[in-house]
Amino acid sequence: ETGVTQTPRHLVMGMTNKKSLKCEQHLGHNAMYWYKQSAKKPLELMFVYNFKEQTENNSVPSRFSPECPNSSHLFLHLHTLQPEDSALYLCASSSAETQYFGPGTRLLVL
Amino acid sequence: AQSVTQPDIHITVSEGASLELRCNYSYGATPYLFWYVQSPGQGLQLLLKYFSGDTLVQGIKGFEAEFKRSQSSFNLRKPSVHWSDAAEYFCAVVWMDSSYKLIFGSGTRLLVRP
Repeated sequence: ETGVTQTPRHLVMGMTNKKSLKCEQHLGHNAMYWYKQSAKKPLELMFVYNFKEQTENNSVPSRFSPECPNSSHLFLHLHTLQPEDSALYLCASSSAETQYFGPGTRLLVL
Repeated sequence: AQSVTQPDIHITVSEGASLELRCNYSYGATPYLFWYVQSPGQGLQLLLKYFSGDTLVQGIKGFEAEFKRSQSSFNLRKPSVHWSDAAEYFCAVVWMDSSYKLIFGSGTRLLVRP
C-alpha cells in the first residue's frame, strides 16, 4: 500500500544524535497521528494533528518534537533519545473514524 | 474506563483449520469497531470495520467479523487459515465522544502450523 509512506524504514542513532522521521499521506486526509510500538507493550498514541493543529499530546517527553507543516506531511524530530526509546514508530492518517497506517520506522537507539 | 480486551495472547492453528479471534470492549455505547493485522516489522493493515447495519461484516483476505451487542464482542473469523495469515491481529474501537481516538487491544499473535 502506498497511501501512507514513512521514511526512513530503519534508523540507528546514538543518544547524542538528532534525526527526523518523516510521514506522508496521499489520501487527502486531514488528521495525522504518531504512535509508538514497543515490544510487549500496547500501541501508544503519541501525537494527533488535525488540520495541521496539534490536538493531542499524550505526555510525550520533550525529546520527541512533532511538526506538521501541512495536512499531508508529519515529522517527528528526535534528539538526545534514550535506549528505551527504541521501538517501531507508526504514522497514521484519517479523514474521520478510520485510520490508515504507514509501514513504520524501526528505531534503534544505542 | 474505555478498554478493549483480546484475551488470547497467542493462538496456534493448523493450516486449513478455522480461526476465531476474540475481542471484547467496555463502555455502554456502541463504538466503531476495527480489526487490523500486522506482519512482522510492518505497519497495521485494516482488515475490516463495523459502524452500523448488518452485524456480520466481510473484510479482506477472507476474514469476517460479527458484532454482538449483548456480549460487547466483535470476534474475527476465517473458515480456512493459510500459512500467510500468521501475524499479529489487533482489535480497535473508536467512541464518538472521544474525537475519533482509536483504542487498541493488546493483540493476538497467530501462529500457523503446516
